[in-house]
Amino acid sequence: RKEVEQDPGPFNVPEGATVAFNCTYSNSASQSFFWYRQDCRKEPKLLMSVYSSGNEDGRFTAQLNRASQYISLLIRDSKLSDSATYLCVVNGKNSGYALNFGKGTSLLVTP
Amino acid sequence: DTEVTQTPKHLVMGMTNKKSLKCEQHMGHRAMYWYKQKAKKPPELMFVYSYEKLSINESVPSRFSPECPNSSLLNLHLHALQPEDSALYLCASSQEVADLSYTFGSGTRLTVV
Repeated sequence: RKEVEQDPGPFNVPEGATVAFNCTYSNSASQSFFWYRQDCRKEPKLLMSVYSSGNEDGRFTAQLNRASQYISLLIRDSKLSDSATYLCVVNGKNSGYALNFGKGTSLLVTP
Repeated sequence: DTEVTQTPKHLVMGMTNKKSLKCEQHMGHRAMYWYKQKAKKPPELMFVYSYEKLSINESVPSRFSPECPNSSLLNLHLHALQPEDSALYLCASSQEVADLSYTFGSGTRLTVV
């Protein structure tokens, strides 16, 4: 079983739509959780960290459920510029604190 | 300076060549990383350096040889690579190994012919 699993998509949504991505992780000792965004042929960039209490940054909301080992990302009012691959990332002492990436979920926002 | 700079951006090399990838940061970060990313795959960890010492080698073949000459520089020496080694090689840094926030370089796109 892969350590971090995501639905690869692609998710095709119209502008203005709300879209949600899910991610599960297998190692209960994982300590930190993130969503990264990667544009085509570019490096990954941190979108937001994910906290147990849930956190929001503008149109983006991230949630963590430690009991279910589940992470989510909600994007409201999608923009064309949101089109990218969204990578679920965990790290923890078990992996030497290095980031462990999911395969990513591809999002295409259309006019 | 809040960047990680990688050179070259693109590299084409033959299977008998020796080349090096370079990564530089001036943020005072003490942890640096090499990741490999194949097309449509997530980045995969290769090496972790902490305070200029190799702390993790994810069973990477010896044809990849990392080097950390000082706290700002990380090199990846390449020798006798195979075509399947063609990928995007990403360098990243963080304040410490346990730090939550990584900064990635834009990568070196390597093609082995």
